[in-house]
Amino acid sequence: GQNIDQPTEMTATEGAIVQINCTYQTSGFNGLFWYQQHAGEAPTFLSYNVLDGLEEKGRFSSFLSRSKGYSYLLLKELQMKDSASYLCAAADSNYQLIWGAGTKLIIKP
Amino acid sequence: IAGITQAPTSQILAAGRRMTLRCTQDMRHNAMYWYRQDLGLGLRLIHYSNTAGTTGKGEVPDGYSVSRANTDDFPLTLASAVPSQTSVYFCASSDSNGITDTQYFGPGTRLTVL
Repeated sequence: GQNIDQPTEMTATEGAIVQINCTYQTSGFNGLFWYQQHAGEAPTFLSYNVLDGLEEKGRFSSFLSRSKGYSYLLLKELQMKDSASYLCAAADSNYQLIWGAGTKLIIKP
Repeated sequence: IAGITQAPTSQILAAGRRMTLRCTQDMRHNAMYWYRQDLGLGLRLIHYSNTAGTTGKGEVPDGYSVSRANTDDFPLTLASAVPSQTSVYFCASSDSNGITDTQYFGPGTRLTVL
């Protein structure tokens, strides 16, 4: 079956760095997405990886290892506004997205 | 540019009633999607449309129907609502044409079926 695993909840301190992990098992693979979702709002796109390696975009970076079925999202210099859920989604052989349940990130002052 | 709009924002519905959730995008995207999001679960695909005039079933299609008469609109209908359809419903679109592309989401409809 197809499955996405990510931690349910994480806590970090303002100004620190946090890494949110995601493992996936899909029928075929056509890329890995990370989305941010603030409470009561819609998911918004953060990053897309299809090749192995690290993609950096400002304070946010995303890493992919296709051989390990693994990705992480790295958030640096955490701000209170980064408190949100972070959703991992893998595109399968039909280009449909398989979504994880999301990781709720709590930022403490 | 509005992006994707959904209506209503929220709705309380009696079981057995018929309900249509509306979704409109102005980005001229080919593909559109309906998801439901429940606490502790990932987004689950209900139905999708790769282009106007075509639709397909997702992971949880039972009890729902869709139509795609034109590029912009993708309504989702619950023929006879049941309490298990209480959820937050998100419509999304992408400029997809058989390749992986970013999905953009509407603000969601919070539906409660009593």
